[in-house]
Amino acid sequence: LAKTTQPISMDSYEGQEVNITCSHNNIATNDYITWYQQFPSQGPRFIIQGYKTKVTNEVASLFIPADRKSSTLSLPRVSLSDTAVYYCLVGPYFYNQGGKLIFGQGTELSVKP
Amino acid sequence: SQTIHQWPATLVQPVGSPLSLECTVEGTSNPNLYWYRQAAGRGLQLLFYSVGIGQISSEVPQNLSASRPQDRQFILSSKKLLLSDSGFYLCAWRAGDRESDGYTFGSGTRLTVV
Repeated sequence: LAKTTQPISMDSYEGQEVNITCSHNNIATNDYITWYQQFPSQGPRFIIQGYKTKVTNEVASLFIPADRKSSTLSLPRVSLSDTAVYYCLVGPYFYNQGGKLIFGQGTELSVKP
Repeated sequence: SQTIHQWPATLVQPVGSPLSLECTVEGTSNPNLYWYRQAAGRGLQLLFYSVGIGQISSEVPQNLSASRPQDRQFILSSKKLLLSDSGFYLCAWRAGDRESDGYTFGSGTRLTVV
């Protein structure tokens, strides 16, 4: 399973764009990259998933370069409610391949007014 | 729609007492099921996962065990709790037919062993 490395913490201000980068040098061919958000005393919540290039949904964008050894989660115009821990995970997508998620320490994002 | 139920929300148990946490999933069949533990507010640790009834894989040696008596039921147990078993326990599931939804987590159980 590919190990991920991301910054322990980041600070931002309301209205700014936040980019959180994750390194996964040993990513396998069949691995997908998934980001989760976790608020205190709650379970992680799926944000976005991708395999390569760029993926965008109503919450965030995910940028994956051609070599797939890193990925960047982009949160546009953050608000105070975006203060949370963000996890980058790498693992096989299809359940018949095993599909167990391994979480790293995550990035604690603090958004200030 | 698929939902995941986990209970209880909070639990305070004395050292040496037994434990049983239950997780059930609705609206899907043959899901992959997982138990995670989070200590000190960060770092989710995968404890067990199951790909089918009666099939349990343990990720770390510990004082806990897991069982899957039914397709959509996953139980975390202990015969005698230790202080180090305190933490936030999360159940999660994944079905193979939802490409964009990833894993879905329950609301968690906050266990305090005293």
